[in-house]
Amino acid sequence: EVQLVQSGAEVAKPGESLKISCKGSGYMFTSHWISWVRQMPGKGLEWMGKIDPSDSYTSYSPSFEGHVIISVDKSISTVYLQWSSLRASDTAMYYCARHLRGSSREELDPWGQGTLVTVSS
Amino acid sequence: EIVLTQSPGTLSLSPGERATLSCRASQTIISSYLAWYQQKPGQAPRLLIYGASTRATGIPDRFSGSGSGTDFSLTISRLEAEDFAVYYCHQYGTPPTTFGQGTRVEI
Repeated sequence: EVQLVQSGAEVAKPGESLKISCKGSGYMFTSHWISWVRQMPGKGLEWMGKIDPSDSYTSYSPSFEGHVIISVDKSISTVYLQWSSLRASDTAMYYCARHLRGSSREELDPWGQGTLVTVSS
Repeated sequence: EIVLTQSPGTLSLSPGERATLSCRASQTIISSYLAWYQQKPGQAPRLLIYGASTRATGIPDRFSGSGSGTDFSLTISRLEAEDFAVYYCHQYGTPPTTFGQGTRVEI
């Protein structure tokens, strides 16, 4: 079974750094891009960026570029989303999702269970 | 970026009824790179349709997608209790990929 399992909920303060993870299993990890999607409380879905696990190539939405970094550790089939300086407005649920086919096209299936990030002083 | 506008915002229907959800794009979506996702409360989204009309694995045939260019729709032929959820359209033909604001299907 193809599965993405994300790290647990996090609580952090504004200005702190944070790294959350997404571990893939049940498929050839380096054959499928992974995207990150944000969902703020009670709101819709926003695509943040994606990574090709085979070569670590990344692409970001202009709305998120410079504020987050997406990285990968192929040896443990895990993709990361990190912030160097959190803001209160980063409070949201974050989902990772695998690209359905072996391309950069963002047909997202399956999704991880989500990681809730709460930023509060 | 391409803006996707979904209508209606909320659809109030009963089990057994037909639901038609609309997604209109601000520009032509190339190669019909349009997907639909279902999200239930407290759950991650689930891919229903990609390429405008191809059902994802395991999706019942009561779900169908159609459209091209700037106008797309998702139809649920006979609503079942488990179908009451929020539905998002999503274009991935022109970077950056964007989502619609969602349509809630409620009883």
